[in-house]
Amino acid sequence: KAGVTQTPRYLIKTRGQQVTLSCSPISGHRSVSWYQQTPGQGLQFLFEYFSETQRNKGNFPGRFSGRQFSNSRSEMNVSTLELGDSALYLCASSLVAGGNYGYTFGSGTRLTVV
Amino acid sequence: SQELEQSPQSLIVQEGKNLTINCTSSKTLYGLYWYKQKYGEGLIFLMMLQKGGEEKSHEKITAKLDEKKQQSSLHITASQPSHAGIYLCGADNSGAGSYQLTFGKGTKLSVIP
Repeated sequence: KAGVTQTPRYLIKTRGQQVTLSCSPISGHRSVSWYQQTPGQGLQFLFEYFSETQRNKGNFPGRFSGRQFSNSRSEMNVSTLELGDSALYLCASSLVAGGNYGYTFGSGTRLTVV
Repeated sequence: SQELEQSPQSLIVQEGKNLTINCTSSKTLYGLYWYKQKYGEGLIFLMMLQKGGEEKSHEKITAKLDEKKQQSSLHITASQPSHAGIYLCGADNSGAGSYQLTFGKGTKLSVIP
């Protein structure tokens, strides 16, 4: 079966712009979560969606937002980009969320802010 | 908040040698995942442990969760260059109603042929 698909794979944006990243989960999976990975902070949780509802949000400013559509596909948006937003953004899909069902990660979107 | 500490931060071993990576949690674990990551790529699932004292193996990799469910170890037997990468442990908090993984900083493994 198809894995978790993240698009685009690479992005270069200018400070102050906004960006939208997309994640298509494994078919049938209803939970999608997003993580930011940087060399300094490691992997940090952004938010989790289940059946179009945000159930958890990490400690990130309001510039970071997301949504989930009825087909479980999810998007995250970062407005007013800062240099520090440069990171690998990973999404994870799960049948429910964790436990025995586990999380499957996509290949990530590498965002560079210049 | 929960914190996971991994040790060592990096490891360089000769091909064929055994090695162990440790992951210690500041709180009791509901579940613990091990993932492997090649630089700049996604995470590859290795194993998930839930019960105290649980041990799982896949090919040459064995993961254990201690009885108190606060420490886990990942052991690789007879390492190969294909084992090189970053190993990450992640705490599953879904049992506490928090649908997120908390990760350690990772252990970078290099295997010299």
